[in-house]
Amino acid sequence: EAQVTQNPRYLITVTGKKLTVTCSQNMNHEYMSWYRQDPGLGLRQIYYSMNVEVTDKGDVPEGYKVSRKEKRNFPLILESPSPNQTSLYFCAIRRANAGGELFFGEGSRLTVL
Amino acid sequence: LAKTTQPISMDSYEGQEVNITCSHNNIATNDYITWYQQFPSQGPRFIIQGYKTKVTNEVASLFIPADRKSSTLSLPRVSLSDTAVYYCLVVVGSGYSTLTFGKGTMLLVSP
Repeated sequence: EAQVTQNPRYLITVTGKKLTVTCSQNMNHEYMSWYRQDPGLGLRQIYYSMNVEVTDKGDVPEGYKVSRKEKRNFPLILESPSPNQTSLYFCAIRRANAGGELFFGEGSRLTVL
Repeated sequence: LAKTTQPISMDSYEGQEVNITCSHNNIATNDYITWYQQFPSQGPRFIIQGYKTKVTNEVASLFIPADRKSSTLSLPRVSLSDTAVYYCLVVVGSGYSTLTFGKGTMLLVSP
């Protein structure tokens, strides 16, 4: 069964303190993606990766970095978090040739004070 | 990318069939239509995906007319646990573009 594990699940931090939200999958899928969800704005894609060392911007990449050094992991990096990055974050994976069929992690709720 | 439009909210009662329609006037030839369900504070869950005509699985049916400018998600005999937000997405055939979620339809099922 597909598993997408995000850590931490909950985090309260302060402005400017660098943090990383990890995402790990057990399915060896090439495609991984990060979304943020905010009330009234729905889900918005931050970054996605089609394979190792291949990443691309989504709709709202500002203030975020990602890396894909290995297929299993796709960490989301906030170099200098700000309060407007307070949000619920989801990591998602997709198997090859699956079109729009994503499998999401359980989410990471981040609060930046 | 084709923009999608769906109702903000819908109400239903247990045991009824619910149909949620999504319009996507600018859908391209290779695009697929995908639907997700999301409960509060959980990640969206894939429900169904189709290209044309009708697709059915154990959870729902998806109806797509010949012009593909709209699609309808049909949930048979809903229960209280079907209360959730439902998202319609149009996905480029290769799937390698951004997958953009709209604001979804909040379905409230009452006893």
